[in-house]
Amino acid sequence: IAGITQAPTSQILAAGRRMTLRCTQDMRHNAMYWYRQDLGLGLRLIHYSNTAGTTGKGEVPDGYSVSRANTDDFPLTLASAVPSQTSVYFCASSSGTGDYGYTFGSGTRLTVV
Amino acid sequence: RKEVEQDPGPFNVPEGATVAFNCTYSNSASQSFFWYRQDCRKEPKLLMSVYSSGNEDGRFTAQLNRASQYISLLIRDSKLSDSATYLCVVNINTGGFKTIFGAGTRLFVKA
Repeated sequence: IAGITQAPTSQILAAGRRMTLRCTQDMRHNAMYWYRQDLGLGLRLIHYSNTAGTTGKGEVPDGYSVSRANTDDFPLTLASAVPSQTSVYFCASSSGTGDYGYTFGSGTRLTVV
Repeated sequence: RKEVEQDPGPFNVPEGATVAFNCTYSNSASQSFFWYRQDCRKEPKLLMSVYSSGNEDGRFTAQLNRASQYISLLIRDSKLSDSATYLCVVNINTGGFKTIFGAGTRLFVKA
């Protein structure tokens, strides 16, 4: 693989269920991010990690959790999905300072019913 | 007021036209700037960084005006394949850094 891999590509999930979105990068980037993108609202940061072992809350963290056990993986967990979490989720990474921009994964389209 | 604002469009232009997008930012601690392109149902991809002196990449020219706090993207000789949403992105130095994405400007190039 080259870049960022997200899985699954799409998912329909029953409300109340738990789900983990997977994200793996092979660029040895220090920083990783999870965004959700909704029509008319643009990209909103959910959680981020500046380096392995650390995580932080973004603009819309409620209902989501993340972990960063190593440099490559940054999974996003929805503990108990709700319909308002229906969205497209993008994982991204950067060298750490962001001065070289971000690389995004191809996204996970999640529908909570 | 949003930290990064863009005209949502859509801009509808014929092939061969020149089109310009503007983006304004509100935080004077903004230190680096980018334009991203996002195709329908795809991920955003870095189009170009924006430097203080302005920079050009083929048909694309980016400009930064720090005094007025706006950046611009000019596309010359538009192609059908330029149809996409263009996102303005600003990095703000807040001790650490914070990245703000604009909501995007939609461009349709028609034959």
